Amino acid sequence: AQSVAQPEDQVNVAEGNPLTVKCTYSVSGNPYLFWYVQYPNRGLQFLLKYITGDNLVKGSYGFEAEFNKSQTSFHLKKPSALVSDSALYFCAVFYSGGGADGLTFGKGTHLIIQP
Amino acid sequence: GAVVSQHPSWVICKSGTSVKIECRSLDFQATTMFWYRQFPKQSLMLMATSNEGSKATYEQGVEKDKFLINHASLTLSTLTVTSAHPEDSSFYICSARDPSFRRAQPQHFGDGTRLSIL
Repeated sequence: AQSVAQPEDQVNVAEGNPLTVKCTYSVSGNPYLFWYVQYPNRGLQFLLKYITGDNLVKGSYGFEAEFNKSQTSFHLKKPSALVSDSALYFCAVFYSGGGADGLTFGKGTHLIIQP
Repeated sequence: GAVVSQHPSWVICKSGTSVKIECRSLDFQATTMFWYRQFPKQSLMLMATSNEGSKATYEQGVEKDKFLINHASLTLSTLTVTSAHPEDSSFYICSARDPSFRRAQPQHFGDGTRLSIL
């Protein structure tokens, strides 16, 4: 069975500093990995994905993520944080099999950017 | 623009009322839709998977008779919270499975419905 772990409930970063939100995964076969962001009282917005190709994936709003197969990680990064980046971030893995497919989410990480 | 529309975005009603939430895929046919529930500052909890033309598959612990799901067409799924009580207050999000991975995504999400039962 597939699973996603986000070990940090909350990450605090000063504005202008680099940020990292951690994600590790467990899946049989090649992983399809995603990051989503959620603002208060809103649905999920897609940030970026890794399916194949370069291990460093660039996405929306200046975010990027690095796929590391040996460490089964897909950490979300941004070189310089903005206060507006404060939100709830979800890592997800796409599964397919057994007659069903869809996304499995991590528990989410609250990112707080302090002015 | 949005590819999944969810309505209403906010509902406040009295205890005992039934509330229907609609989820529409706007420019693609969604044979599978997902319904999630989210408590404040927590992750998404998958409630059920609905497949067009068949019964929904509910996750363990989700009451089928409380949360009625109908997926009568390829673009519409509805979640009805029957005889809602304050403990049903939550944020509900729908998502439509996209086999074509439009916009690089396997699922597209509605904007959610905030349900408050008084």
